[in-house]
Amino acid sequence: KAGVTQTPRYLIKTRGQQVTLSCSPISGHRSVSWYQQTPGQGLQFLFEYFSETQRNKGNFPGRFSGRQFSNSRSEMNVSTLELGDSALYLCASSPGTGWTEAFFGQGTRLTVV
Amino acid sequence: LAKTTQPISMDSYEGQEVNITCSHNNIATNDYITWYQQFPSQGPRFIIQGYKTKVTNEVASLFIPADRKSSTLSLPRVSLSDTAVYYCLVEEDKLVFGAGTILRVKS
Repeated sequence: KAGVTQTPRYLIKTRGQQVTLSCSPISGHRSVSWYQQTPGQGLQFLFEYFSETQRNKGNFPGRFSGRQFSNSRSEMNVSTLELGDSALYLCASSPGTGWTEAFFGQGTRLTVV
Repeated sequence: LAKTTQPISMDSYEGQEVNITCSHNNIATNDYITWYQQFPSQGPRFIIQGYKTKVTNEVASLFIPADRKSSTLSLPRVSLSDTAVYYCLVEEDKLVFGAGTILRVKS
């Protein structure tokens, strides 16, 4: 069974640009959550989706947005990139609405220059 | 208010048993205790989960006292490849990661 797949693995963008990251959950999983990980702030929760609906949202500016499609695949978008957005972006999936066991992807390493 | 408290870092040597304790004084009745392991530039990986007493799997054991206000992850005979960050989580409805414990295993 394939794991959580995140694309692309690496990305370099310029300040002011926008970026879209993709996450394909494990087949049959309906919940997807996103995290930003930086050396200074650790793993910070961005948002969570279940059946195309956002269930929870972390404390990030409106430049960060996401969505989930009917096949449970999810995308997150960051507009007007800032240097501080450089981070590892991680996606996790879960079969239902609970997170008793989450499966994470390898992440997308975003570098903003 | 932090849901969990763990030591920032721990050092060990290959072959030793490592115990990492997590405090979760405000754990809710329906919360499970879950531990994740993370290597640099990778996503966290589920290690073990428990509700009370003791749980053991092929990689670790989890000890939970009766009051459930703390838990201890036990890694038997660690190797260099166990060097990682270990996170203790207690919420079921969402994943909230604390700072974790950096475990360094030396030869």
